[in-house]
Amino acid sequence: NAGVTQTPKFQVLKTGQSMTLQCAQDMNHEYMSWYRQDPGMGLRLIHYSVGAGITDQGEVPNGYNVSRSTTEDFPLRLLSAAPSQTSVYFCASSYVGQETQYFGPGTRLLVL
Amino acid sequence: GENVEQHPSTLSVQEGDSAVIKCTYSDSASNYFPWYKQELGKGPQLIIDIRSNVGEKKDQRIAVTLNKTAKHFSLHITETQPEDSAVYFCAASLGPTGNQFYFGTGTSLTVIP
Repeated sequence: NAGVTQTPKFQVLKTGQSMTLQCAQDMNHEYMSWYRQDPGMGLRLIHYSVGAGITDQGEVPNGYNVSRSTTEDFPLRLLSAAPSQTSVYFCASSYVGQETQYFGPGTRLLVL
Repeated sequence: GENVEQHPSTLSVQEGDSAVIKCTYSDSASNYFPWYKQELGKGPQLIIDIRSNVGEKKDQRIAVTLNKTAKHFSLHITETQPEDSAVYFCAASLGPTGNQFYFGTGTSLTVIP
């Protein structure tokens, strides 16, 4: 099993550009989520999904969109990047009903 | 929503000494408390967890204690080794439904050889 994979590892964007951060898992986990990690603020939940076709907002959803068309994939979209979205983004997955989350290696995003 | 506070933000110990990291939470309904270790350039990895029906849990050199009345929980690492150096995060969750976690701000642990 590859576990949770994320691409790209690093990305530089200009303000106003759009991009999609990819996340995939091969553990057949129903639950997937996106977090951002900023210095001194820990990890904050952006969006999550409990299964294909079901998504919901977390703590800091503004500026981000998600969709879940398959169990395996949970992409995060930035429609118009802003410098405030400079952060490290982590995707995580788990079985619904089991709390153990598995995190991907992260995507470091810099918005100029 | 839930608010998790974590202290200290940085901690340096000599190899072989013990390290203690403390977290408090605000929502008395939270019932699951995991601890994650994050090494440089990697994602967080679960190292130990505790549920609200248990007061203490141990796994070799790592232990976690929970005081539900005071709403705080702690990570204890004994006989620290240089490879224990990392950032540690605590988290709180209302349970499996939705799996929403609220994280502390992290503790950077340095073990000095």
